[in-house]
Amino acid sequence: AQTVTQSQPEMSVQEAETVTLSCTYDTSENNYYLFWYKQPPSRQMILVIRQEAYKQQNATENRFSVNFQKAAKSFSLKISDSQLGDTAMYFCAFTRDDKIIFGKGTRLHILP
Amino acid sequence: EPEVTQTPSHQVTQMGQEVILRCVPISNHLYFYWYRQILGQKVEFLVSFYNNEISEKSEIFDDQFSVERPDGSNFTLKIRSTKLEDSAMYFCASSEQAGGNTDTQYFGPGTRLTVL
Repeated sequence: AQTVTQSQPEMSVQEAETVTLSCTYDTSENNYYLFWYKQPPSRQMILVIRQEAYKQQNATENRFSVNFQKAAKSFSLKISDSQLGDTAMYFCAFTRDDKIIFGKGTRLHILP
Repeated sequence: EPEVTQTPSHQVTQMGQEVILRCVPISNHLYFYWYRQILGQKVEFLVSFYNNEISEKSEIFDDQFSVERPDGSNFTLKIRSTKLEDSAMYFCASSEQAGGNTDTQYFGPGTRLTVL
């Protein structure tokens, strides 16, 4: 089965701290995209960062960066200098054929 | 920046009624998708659509569901006879290139469907 596992259902960190959300996935494909989506209370799905599996360099987007370990099928998200607006549900996902497969999410609370 | 739009933002309907959820994908995108998220659960794929036909559908996408691109801009999801368990957030997404493993799907803001 091709799945995404997010082992941390919920996390809380103090504002300005760094937090890492973990994700592992399972696929038999060699070329695919990996994503982290943010879902705030409004329930909109916002693309945070993406990684192309054939690129070894880890993607970064301002305060967001990933640690992509292809052999281990691991794709963690690091949020630096966390802000109150980062409070949301975070979904790890990857592409398979015509669809995106999502994990169950990690609920992140940034505390003032 | 171009974005996917969806209307309505919230739809309330009685069980057994038909609903149509509307989406306007990003204008140069060729691949379109619907996903569903039941409250508190993960996002699930429903269907993908390219060149005016369904490319792939999940087991959730049964005969009660249909999709259509009635004109050059809209992409709709119809549920023929809604059930209580259809209550969910429905997301439309689009991508520029082959959905496959090579492109990013951009999501709309979602339509919250409540079936009473």
